Amino acid sequence: KAGVTQTPRYLIKTRGQQVTLSCSPISGHRSVSWYQQTPGQGLQFLFEYFSETQRNKGNFPGRFSGRQFSNSRSEMNVSTLELGDSALYLCASGQGTVATNEKLFFGSGTQLSVL
Amino acid sequence: GNSVTQMEGPVTLSEEAFLTINCTYTATGYPSLFWYVQYPGEGLQLLLKATKADDKGSNKGFEATYRKETTSFHLEKGSVQVSDSAVYFCALRMSETSGSRLTFGEGTQLTVNP
Repeated sequence: KAGVTQTPRYLIKTRGQQVTLSCSPISGHRSVSWYQQTPGQGLQFLFEYFSETQRNKGNFPGRFSGRQFSNSRSEMNVSTLELGDSALYLCASGQGTVATNEKLFFGSGTQLSVL
Repeated sequence: GNSVTQMEGPVTLSEEAFLTINCTYTATGYPSLFWYVQYPGEGLQLLLKATKADDKGSNKGFEATYRKETTSFHLEKGSVQVSDSAVYFCALRMSETSGSRLTFGEGTQLTVNP
């Protein structure tokens, strides 16, 4: 069974641009969540999608958004990039519903650098 | 708010040494607790979990016991191997409505030398 796939693996953008990251969950998983990982703040929850609906949201500004498609694939978008958005963005998929989703499977992440 | 604090790293051990990585948490209520591991170049993987006080999670020789009285979930292994070299994250999940929202500790880098 293929794992969680994130594309691209690396991205370099400049301030003010926008970026879209993609995540394909494990086949059969309907829940996708996104995390930001930085050396200073560690792992921070961005949002979670289940059945194409956002179910939970972390404390990030509105520049960070996401969506989920009917095949459970998800994208996250960051608009008006800032230097502080440089981070590893991790996607995780879960087999259960929002209530039962305790075991997460993480992808290897997309490393975003904002210059 | 909820938070997780892990012992400062990095930790360097010789093969077959005993491992302890401390984890304490602050939460309103009774969270589920987790240890995730991140091997070089890979995504995080669930190592073990415990969902209520006094539960012991175990996997691959690693153990952790949910201690409500000390709000702790320390990770232990009796004899580490070189292949255990990785970053270890302690995490909590507050309730069913939290879904995939985990609060992670800072992570502890473990290096095991032969």
